[in-house]
Amino acid sequence: AQSVTQPDIHITVSEGASLELRCNYSYGATPYLFWYVQSPGQGLQLLLKYFSGDTLVQGIKGFEAEFKRSQSSFNLRKPSVHWSDAAEYFCAVNDYKLSFGAGTTVTVRA
Amino acid sequence: NAGVTQTPKFRVLKTGQSMTLLCAQDMNHEYMYWYRQDPGMGLRLIHYSVGEGTTAKGEVPDGYNVSRLKKQNFLLGLESAAPSQTSVYFCASSPPGTYTDTQYFGPGTRLTVL
Repeated sequence: AQSVTQPDIHITVSEGASLELRCNYSYGATPYLFWYVQSPGQGLQLLLKYFSGDTLVQGIKGFEAEFKRSQSSFNLRKPSVHWSDAAEYFCAVNDYKLSFGAGTTVTVRA
Repeated sequence: NAGVTQTPKFRVLKTGQSMTLLCAQDMNHEYMYWYRQDPGMGLRLIHYSVGEGTTAKGEVPDGYNVSRLKKQNFLLGLESAAPSQTSVYFCASSPPGTYTDTQYFGPGTRLTVL
């Protein structure tokens, strides 16, 4: 069965600094990978997804993610963080259902 | 388009009470899902539906029932609530077919069982 691990429970970053969130997946075949963001008190919103082709995927809000098959990773990055990026971020892999990681909470300090 | 809506937004129940959560979507999606979100555990799939009149069990179906009588609605029922069902419940919908399709989420229902 597929699974996703997000090793970092909580990350604090200064506004304007870069951000990288880690995601490792376990899946036998070609994975379909997603990053979602959840702002406080809100539902989940898709940031980006990967299912084939270019391993560097661009998403909304200035985020990108890179798929590395050799490392079983799909890390999310943003070059310069804004205060509005404070949220919880979930990596997910899709087989017949979405399997989510436990999430990484991002705090942005001024 | 309202997207995916959920009612109610908040609810407090006593142990043993029953309730129904309503999810509605106006995107004409075939697939609908119910998840629960608990701290440190991400989202876990309770039940899902691939079309009107069909339902299937997800990872954590015990204690819940669902119905999909109309394509746009997906109901989640708790027949006898337990404190372990205190959680935030999210509904989602997606177009049919492929694993690449995006799921669209509702705003959630925060349920507390005392």
